[in-house]
Amino acid sequence: EVQLVESGGGLVQPGGSLRLSCAASGFTFSSYEMMWVRQAPGEGLEWVSYISTSGSTKYYADSVKGRFTISRDNARNSLYLQMNSLRAEDTAVYYCAREHADGYNFDYWGQGTLVTVSS
Amino acid sequence: QSALTQPRSVSGSPGQSVTISCTGTSSDVGGYNYVSWYQQHPGKAPKLMISDVSKRPSGVPDRFSGSKSGNTASLTISGLQGEDEADYYCCSYASRSVYVFGTGTKVTVL
Repeated sequence: EVQLVESGGGLVQPGGSLRLSCAASGFTFSSYEMMWVRQAPGEGLEWVSYISTSGSTKYYADSVKGRFTISRDNARNSLYLQMNSLRAEDTAVYYCAREHADGYNFDYWGQGTLVTVSS
Repeated sequence: QSALTQPRSVSGSPGQSVTISCTGTSSDVGGYNYVSWYQQHPGKAPKLMISDVSKRPSGVPDRFSGSKSGNTASLTISGLQGEDEADYYCCSYASRSVYVFGTGTKVTVL
């Protein structure tokens, strides 16, 4: 059974940093491209970042570019999101999601981890 | 990277059909046949319902169907059922592994 389990969320002050993790199981993690998607309270979904299978290619939404860094450790079956210079508008539930093998859609999602940026 | 436009809400009685539109641009919806749709119940993670405009993943009821014309994609739920009450989001590929989601539509079963 495919499972994605996020962790690392919490309360952080504006300007602070946080590192999210996503533990994958039930599939060959190294063969799949991965994403982070977030959802502010009461709002819609927002694509945040993409990483290729090897980790060599990464893309970011304009709203997080230069502040967030996506990475992965295929040996540990884990995906990460390093978030720096956090702002109030980064407050959201952060989901990790697997890109379908055929590409262009997200076939499995984690349960999400809440990040709250507030003083 | 502007969000795709969806109606805020749609509603229908059990057994009726509802259609949700998703309007983008030639740089996303109109430029690729890579529109997907996600269902999200309150407090839950999104679930893939339609991929590549009109493909239905295994396990998704056949009352869900998708289509696209120009810069607008659509999700139709035929034979509406109570468990279909949820939020629905479209998503389009927009080049260089960048994706854009829709604003979301709340489906209410009357």
